[in-house]
Amino acid sequence: DIQMTQSPSSLSASVGDRVTLTCRASRSISGYVNWFQQKPGKAPKLLIYAASTLQSGVPSRFSGSGSETEFTLTISSLQPEDFATYYCLQSFTDLYSFSQGTKLEMK
Amino acid sequence: QVQLVQSGAEVKKPGSSVRVSCNSSGDSFSSFNVNWVRQAPGQGLVWMGSIIPIFGSPKVAPHLQGRLTITADASASAAYMDLRSLTADDTALYFCARDDSFQPLVDWGQGTLVTVSS
Repeated sequence: DIQMTQSPSSLSASVGDRVTLTCRASRSISGYVNWFQQKPGKAPKLLIYAASTLQSGVPSRFSGSGSETEFTLTISSLQPEDFATYYCLQSFTDLYSFSQGTKLEMK
Repeated sequence: QVQLVQSGAEVKKPGSSVRVSCNSSGDSFSSFNVNWVRQAPGQGLVWMGSIIPIFGSPKVAPHLQGRLTITADASASAAYMDLRSLTADDTALYFCARDDSFQPLVDWGQGTLVTVSS
């Protein structure tokens, strides 16, 4: 199994801040990392796939980077609607796995 | 965007089984992975398994091997998740989500709440 470890597990930030979340894979997964946003009571939403490709309709303040075992999601300037929980997912193997998530809260 | 519609909430006794269905009207539903993901109350997302309806051959997460069966009916654009030997720890919101050519889990169902309680 591939384990995905995300940090931090929670983060307090303000509107306009730049924030970076990190996911580390237990072994190399090339660029097969995807980022999701989930708001309470809703299904997750795909933000970025293949490490750095922005899903259609997702604002350009979201960006992703990384390869092999370390990946980051950056929000360049937080907006009120960005306060949510974020997860990474590896799709390198047929058996996908999520990270435990980061809860992004308003300071 | 492909719409996925799941079956309704279930309340089950410990030791019993549950089936959740996922239906789509989209043309491409049967050609790509349909995944099952669950989320216990207040907890994170857990990937459970997947199937490509036109091929069968489901993949199941190791921690659910032996309890989870994933099937599909490509002609009906439907996928099913059967979970056996339920315990209180299986109480969760269960989602189906489909992959597309390059994007995993790009479309999601609305979720089905399964409550296991005596």
